[in-house]
Amino acid sequence: GIQVEQSPPDLILQEGANSTLRCNFSDSVNNLQWFHQNPWGQLINLFYIPSGTKQNGRLSATTVATERYSLLYISSSQTTDSGVYFCAVVRSGTASKLTFGTGTRLQVTL
Amino acid sequence: GAVVSQHPSWVICKSGTSVKIECRSLDFQATTMFWYRQFPKQSLMLMATSNEGSKATYEQGVEKDKFLINHASLTLSTLTVTSAHPEDSSFYICSASPGTGSSYEQYFGPGTRLTVT
Repeated sequence: GIQVEQSPPDLILQEGANSTLRCNFSDSVNNLQWFHQNPWGQLINLFYIPSGTKQNGRLSATTVATERYSLLYISSSQTTDSGVYFCAVVRSGTASKLTFGTGTRLQVTL
Repeated sequence: GAVVSQHPSWVICKSGTSVKIECRSLDFQATTMFWYRQFPKQSLMLMATSNEGSKATYEQGVEKDKFLINHASLTLSTLTVTSAHPEDSSFYICSASPGTGSSYEQYFGPGTRLTVT
């Protein structure tokens, strides 16, 4: 099956700092989503981004499908950004099954 | 929009009993629903995919007789953990998609924390 690796696995930031999270995948995909899992376990959709660049407030994401990676940028981080960030992909030619990455655990401190 | 609910949010049951978890799409029709399992500090693992009115498709290694899935309508799917054992304790999360193709976003419920004693 497809492998989805995220880096870094853990990240500690001071409030106000910027960060870049990376998602590498081992095969071609036709669906890629970024999620934030809050401390209560709820997965929040951040981006649906199989290719290109999108921005939503302090967050933006870029997927370069031909090079098999996606980046999530968080600017001016806040304590409420803490949690785990997952990317998930659907491999091309398969059904709509999402394969989740390994996750990046982010802690934003005051 | 695109809200998915789960009930209950947490449940404690005794070993050997069965537990039913409901997943509802509140403001859209979910052609496809998915069930995931997440152990502490790990990623989500897909258990099964279900389409309304048809049998669920289970991932390799998931016992279909133990994890019964019913997708009775376009807004409701249920997961029943039968004869639960302590090793079934986990965080179960459902998701719903408005389409069957891979180009559709999945929207996730808040999860159900199951503890089997």
